[in-house]
Amino acid sequence: DVKVTQSSRYLVKRTGEKVFLECVQDMDHENMFWYRQDPGLGLRLIYFSYDVKMKEKGDIPEGYSVSREKKERFSLILESASTNQTSMYLCASSLWGSSYNEQFFGPGTRLTVL
Amino acid sequence: RKEVEQDPGPFNVPEGATVAFNCTYSNSASQSFFWYRQDCRKEPKLLMSVYSSGNEDGRFTAQLNRASQYISLLIRDSKLSDSATYLCVVNDADTGRRALTFGSGTRLQVQP
Repeated sequence: DVKVTQSSRYLVKRTGEKVFLECVQDMDHENMFWYRQDPGLGLRLIYFSYDVKMKEKGDIPEGYSVSREKKERFSLILESASTNQTSMYLCASSLWGSSYNEQFFGPGTRLTVL
Repeated sequence: RKEVEQDPGPFNVPEGATVAFNCTYSNSASQSFFWYRQDCRKEPKLLMSVYSSGNEDGRFTAQLNRASQYISLLIRDSKLSDSATYLCVVNDADTGRRALTFGSGTRLQVQP
């Protein structure tokens, strides 16, 4: 059974804290993605990676950075959390190649920044 | 203007009804198309891919109209378990990205 796991389901942080969200996939997928999901806005792409140590900005990268040191792990970093980063964060992975390759999502991390 | 637009609903339908969702996309060069399903407080999961010739999977039928840039999903004989949010998804592969662009979703509530 394919699996994408995220380090926390719920997280509460304070404004200005550095926050790490971890994602691990066991499918040997090349591509990994971080999205955030907000009511009425849908899922929006923050960053993605198609190989170890490679990263590309998505649609809303401001205030975030990422790290991919190993193929199976993709980390999202909030350097200095702000209240407008309160959201549901979803990690996903897919195989490189066909544009029809399915993306598999983790269960999400609901982050609240106070 | 949003790249992928959907009617947010909710669509409230009785069991056994047929319901159809439409979605429009703005990038005429979009390459691949999907419907994902998201249950309440869960992650999105692929329901079906949408091919140019249209495709069917049991009670679900997906159609693509490239000329008008819209995608549709038809659900026949609705079940209570079909209650979920349905996300229209587009892959703009011409940009070299493998990331997906999501619509905001259409919520379906099937009632007994």
